[in-house]
Amino acid sequence: DGGITQSPKYLFRKEGQNVTLSCEQNLNHDAMYWYRQDPGQGLRLIYYSQIVNDFQKGDIAEGYSVSREKKESFPLTVTSAQKNPTAFYLCASSIAKGREQFFGPGTRLTVL
Amino acid sequence: SQQGEEDPQALSIQEGENATMNCSYKTSINNLQWYRQNSGRGLVHLILIRSNEREKHSGRLRVTLDTSKKSSSLLITASRAADTASYFCATDQGGSEKLVFGKGTKLTVNP
Repeated sequence: DGGITQSPKYLFRKEGQNVTLSCEQNLNHDAMYWYRQDPGQGLRLIYYSQIVNDFQKGDIAEGYSVSREKKESFPLTVTSAQKNPTAFYLCASSIAKGREQFFGPGTRLTVL
Repeated sequence: SQQGEEDPQALSIQEGENATMNCSYKTSINNLQWYRQNSGRGLVHLILIRSNEREKHSGRLRVTLDTSKKSSSLLITASRAADTASYFCATDQGGSEKLVFGKGTKLTVNP
């Protein structure tokens, strides 16, 4: 079964804590993306990676960090520097830039 | 930066009716894509239309693209309750590495 998975589905964090969201794909896609979605809003790009060991900041990278050590994996860390981290986080992958993106089911992060 | 803007923000119709959603964008594009999102889920790709195409069909979906007006429309014919979802357009801003998504149209199809 090919696809993209995210875990956990729900995540609760206390203020001041860092948390890491997992994103794994077995589609053999080179490109991977992290988006943030707030209620009633569209998607805003946090970070993206076109190839292993390389990634670029998106529109709202402050307070977030990523790594791309393996083609299949693109974890996102939400740091304590992110002022308003409560949101729905979506990971996606694509075979190449500008092509259709395949999305994971999302992780809903709530800061208590 | 918000590239695509969908219109209307919300649309409520009866089953069997057609639903039309519009998307406007600001810069040149190589392609425009439409996605669907069921509540609390990830997005699902529906259709991609290239800048040199004017119309594309996929099942009950019909997408048009007018690059002179920088706009696209998504038509869902003979809608079903299962079509209830939010619909987003996304553009590549002329070959950029990233897609830029609009805020979406929330479609409700009443049985």
